[in-house]
Amino acid sequence: EAQVTQNPRYLITVTGKKLTVTCSQNMNHEYMSWYRQDPGLGLRQIYYSMNVEVTDKGDVPEGYKVSRKEKRNFPLILESPSPNQTSLYFCASSARTGPNSPLHFGNGTRLTVT
Amino acid sequence: TQLLEQSPQFLSIQEGENLTVYCNSSSVFSSLQWYRQEPGEGPVLLVTVVTGGEVKKLKRLTFQFGDARKDSSLHITAAQPGDTGLYLCAGGSNYQLIWGAGTKLIIKP
Repeated sequence: EAQVTQNPRYLITVTGKKLTVTCSQNMNHEYMSWYRQDPGLGLRQIYYSMNVEVTDKGDVPEGYKVSRKEKRNFPLILESPSPNQTSLYFCASSARTGPNSPLHFGNGTRLTVT
Repeated sequence: TQLLEQSPQFLSIQEGENLTVYCNSSSVFSSLQWYRQEPGEGPVLLVTVVTGGEVKKLKRLTFQFGDARKDSSLHITAAQPGDTGLYLCAGGSNYQLIWGAGTKLIIKP
């Protein structure tokens, strides 16, 4: 089954404790992206990657890191989480770059930073 | 800054009623995508419209892209409880997607 898999689904952590949210897709997609979703603000892009070893900042990259060492994986790293990073996070992938390409989303990771 | 405004933000109606939600901008987009997101899940693409004036139908859902490619609407006929969810529109522009904040739709049995 074609899918984007995120782990964990839920995460509660404390300020400053480094964490990684994993994302993997099995569709051989070139494009991958991370979003955060907050009430009333919609989806905001954190980072994206057009291919292996190619990553770029989205609209809200501060406090986050990503890497793309393999085509299928695109982990999101929070080196020193803060409470304002409490949010619902989504990983997405697409077969092609460009705004007309449909995105396939994972089921989300709900992160709480206390 | 490009913005996409969705209206209404929230809509609760009875099963069987018709409804329309809107996605508006002052900017021109190369395409407009509509997604539906159910609780606990990621958004799922419903449709992409790319031509000004284009109308696409998906069963009881009708999507229209404005002639000037600045706005779009989603009309649901005879809404069902299974239509409940958050409807998101996203406009394509300059190799990125601009997202609306969504319309939360609840269909009561």
